[in-house]
Amino acid sequence: EVVLTQSPGTLSLSPGERATLSCRASQSVSSSYLAWYQQKPGQAPRLLIYGASSRATGIPDRFSGSGSGTDFTLTISRLEPEDFAVYYCQQYGSSLYTFGQGTKLEIK
Amino acid sequence: QVQLQESGPGLVKPSQTLSLTCTVSGGSISSDGYYWSWIRQPGGKGLEWIGRIYTSGSTNYNPSLNSRVTISVDMSKNQFSLKLSSVTAADTAVYYCARADSSGWFAYFQHWGQGTLVTVSS
Repeated sequence: EVVLTQSPGTLSLSPGERATLSCRASQSVSSSYLAWYQQKPGQAPRLLIYGASSRATGIPDRFSGSGSGTDFTLTISRLEPEDFAVYYCQQYGSSLYTFGQGTKLEIK
Repeated sequence: QVQLQESGPGLVKPSQTLSLTCTVSGGSISSDGYYWSWIRQPGGKGLEWIGRIYTSGSTNYNPSLNSRVTISVDMSKNQFSLKLSSVTAADTAVYYCARADSSGWFAYFQHWGQGTLVTVSS
């Protein structure tokens, strides 16, 4: 089973700042099979990025994803108030899905 | 636009079987090219994939839950279901149903239900 480790656990930033979230896999993951989600309290996760770098429908271009192999990054270029939430990475392989433990992005 | 809605008891006693249903609207569950999954989230914690079913009835389960999980589909009702046996307090969580599409090689979940809280307690 591929274990995904996200860092940091909590990120405290101000609106307008740049956020960089990391997702590290215990073994190599195909870029096609790496996704990022945003979750706000009381809501289901929302798909942000798939295939490591492709934005899902309706996702603003301030969100971008990059990486390959075992290291992947979600970047939010300029934080908007509505971006403060928990972010999860997720991988797919061998007919199984695993999620990272999440990064909480909080207002500083 | 496809919509998913979970339903089922919000309270289950320890050692009993948790049963949930996901009703699909805005599309047919029997259409080819979709995997239908269950995912759960204990309070304040991360997401755990439970298992999935294809329209053919083919299933895959999380190895950590494999012995206790059964996922089935009822095409006549446009629903798929989850049964989790021998539950304990550790199974208390919000349970989500979700869909992965062949257009994305089934690699991610674009459509989610709103989630339903199941508490295991006597």
